[in-house]
Order: sequence, then C-alpha cells, then structure tokens
Amino acid sequence: GNSVTQMEGPVTLSEEAFLTINCTYTATGYPSLFWYVQYPGEGLQLLLKATKADDKGSNKGFEATYRKETTSFHLEKGSVQVSDSAVYFCALRGNRDDKIIFGKGTRLHILP
Amino acid sequence: NAGVTQTPKFQVLKTGQSMTLQCAQDMNHEYMSWYRQDPGMGLRLIHYSVGAGITDQGEVPNGYNVSRSTTEDFPLRLLSAAPSQTSVYFCASSKSGQAGDEQFFGPGTRLTVL
Repeated sequence: GNSVTQMEGPVTLSEEAFLTINCTYTATGYPSLFWYVQYPGEGLQLLLKATKADDKGSNKGFEATYRKETTSFHLEKGSVQVSDSAVYFCALRGNRDDKIIFGKGTRLHILP
Repeated sequence: NAGVTQTPKFQVLKTGQSMTLQCAQDMNHEYMSWYRQDPGMGLRLIHYSVGAGITDQGEVPNGYNVSRSTTEDFPLRLLSAAPSQTSVYFCASSKSGQAGDEQFFGPGTRLTVL
C-alpha cells in the first residue's frame, strides 16, 4: 500500500539557517503530494502541494519539488524564522484512492 | 465561512463512558474524515465518508462509530471509552476524494480517558 517516510525530529536550527526536511513515498500510480504544517495547539493547514511529476509547490518561502525518479518531495526553505517553529507533515493522496496518507511529522525548533 | 468546526475542545471521560465528538463544515465538501494524533505516531485515519450516507473504515476504526446523515455533519462516537483512546482528534474535509484536493482541518478535540 501507499506510505510516506519523513525524517524524524526534532530538528533544531538557528534563525536564518537553511532548512531541508526529507520526505520519500511509496505509491502506485501518480499520487498528489502535500506538505502540511501544524502550529502549537492548532489543527493542520496546507503549506504547499504538487500534483504531478516535476511540479514545484511553494508558499511562505517554502518549496518542494515532486521527484518521481527518486520518489521524494523534500521541503526546503532558504532562511528560517522563529515563527516557522511547528510540526511539518508530508502526505500523499493516491490517484485512485480517497485516503490521504501522512508521515509521522517532523518537529522544527528555530532558535533566535 | 467558519470552515471545519469541532466540539468540544477538551473532554475528560471515565473508562466505559460513551460520547460523541461533533464535526461540521460549511464548505459543501463531499469528503470528510476523522483522525487521531498520538505522540510519535503522526495522524492515523479512523473513519471517512465520501458523501452523505456513505462511510468507510480507516486504519484504526475499532471502538469508534460514525454516520453521515447530512453533507455538513460527521460525528464520531466512542462506544465505551478506554484509556487507549486518549488522544487528540481531528476532523477534516475536502471538496471530493480526488487526488489533488487538499484537506481542511478543524482545531481538534483533546480527549482524556481515565
């Protein structure tokens, strides 16, 4: 079945550092890929998405590129801020399946 | 639009008690789902619905019931609460079950079972 694997946290960085959170997936067909973010005490909200190979999703300075050849969707940001501290979830939704599959989440701490 | 709303925000139950977690959305979304979030486990799908009158089981359905009598509402019932059901519960909705549709999440219900 479909699955998502993302790097375990917590990840601790200093403000203005470069961020990469790795995400790889296993799926049949051509899934859509998502990154969700969860701020403390809140529900998840969509950060970005990509629906086909080589698509790049971007939002709030974050980017991720759908790489079918490496089955990856790594999240990157060039200069993180303290306000980026949150839990980040990689997810996929199969082409012929209704369910969204989530990774286990990566907690990010940004130090001032 | 209020989006996805959940009540209550917090709840404490004793083992064996039953209760219903409420979820409503005002976006006319067809697809709704319930997840539980536990430390180190990410989100696990409990039940989902692709439209009024249609529900199906997710990854961890035991101990939970759902029904979908209207498009707007998707309540989750705990039949006989157990300490293993202590968790944060999220309801989510999306326009349809198509691959590219994002899910919109409610603020969550934090449940403690003693």
